[in-house]
Amino acid sequence: AAGVIQSPRHLIKEKRETATLKCYPIPRHDTVYWYQQGPGQDPQFLISFYEKMQSDKGSIPDRFSAQQFSDYHSELNMSSLELGDSALYFCASSPSTTAKQQYFGPGTRLTVT
Amino acid sequence: GIQVEQSPPDLILQEGANSTLRCNFSDSVNNLQWFHQNPWGQLINLFYIPSGTKQNGRLSATTVATERYSLLYISSSQTTDSGVYFCAVFNQAGTALIFGKGTTLSVSS
Repeated sequence: AAGVIQSPRHLIKEKRETATLKCYPIPRHDTVYWYQQGPGQDPQFLISFYEKMQSDKGSIPDRFSAQQFSDYHSELNMSSLELGDSALYFCASSPSTTAKQQYFGPGTRLTVT
Repeated sequence: GIQVEQSPPDLILQEGANSTLRCNFSDSVNNLQWFHQNPWGQLINLFYIPSGTKQNGRLSATTVATERYSLLYISSSQTTDSGVYFCAVFNQAGTALIFGKGTTLSVSS
C-alpha cells in the first residue's frame, strides 16, 4: 500500500540558511499535518491543511511557513535557520480533517550547523 | 488542552517477558493511536484504537474511553521491540495529535 512520502530524508544546513521539506500524502488523503520532534522529545504539532486551506496551527515559529498544493502535496519552508531547528520533521496524512487515523511518513532529519 | 500521560517512562525487560504500557488522557477523545518509534526514528503505526480492544500478533491494545485510559500489551518481547512507544490523542478540535512523553523500552537478550 502507498505510504506518505517525505523528501529529502536527510538535510544539513547552516545557520541563517533556508530549507524546504516536501510531503506527498497517501492518495485520496486530503489532510496533511506537520510535526517537529526535537532530540529526546515527543512530536509537536506545527500546522495542518485540509483541502489546501490551513486548518490548524500549533507552535510553529514565524520563520516557518507551509502550504498545500492542488495535488495535495505540502511543503514546509523554513527560513533563518537556527541550531534549535535541528529535529525530525514528520508529515502525516488522513482522509478527512477530524477524528481519523493519521498515517506518518518516514520523516526528514534536519541538522543545522 | 488535553493532557496525555504515559507510564512508565522507562522499562527494561529480558527477552521473552511481557509488559503493559499505560496512557492516561485528561478529556474524552475520539481518536487514540499507539506508535513505536524505532532506533532509526521511524514512527510506526501500531493501533488506531479510540475504544475497545485490538490485537496484532504479540501486541494488543485496549482503550476504555469512559475511564480515559489505554493500555498497550506486549507479550513475549523481542529485542526488536526496543524503542519508544508513544500514545497520541486528537486535540479537542480534532485537528492535531497530542503526544505523550513516551515509554522507552529496552529489551535485552
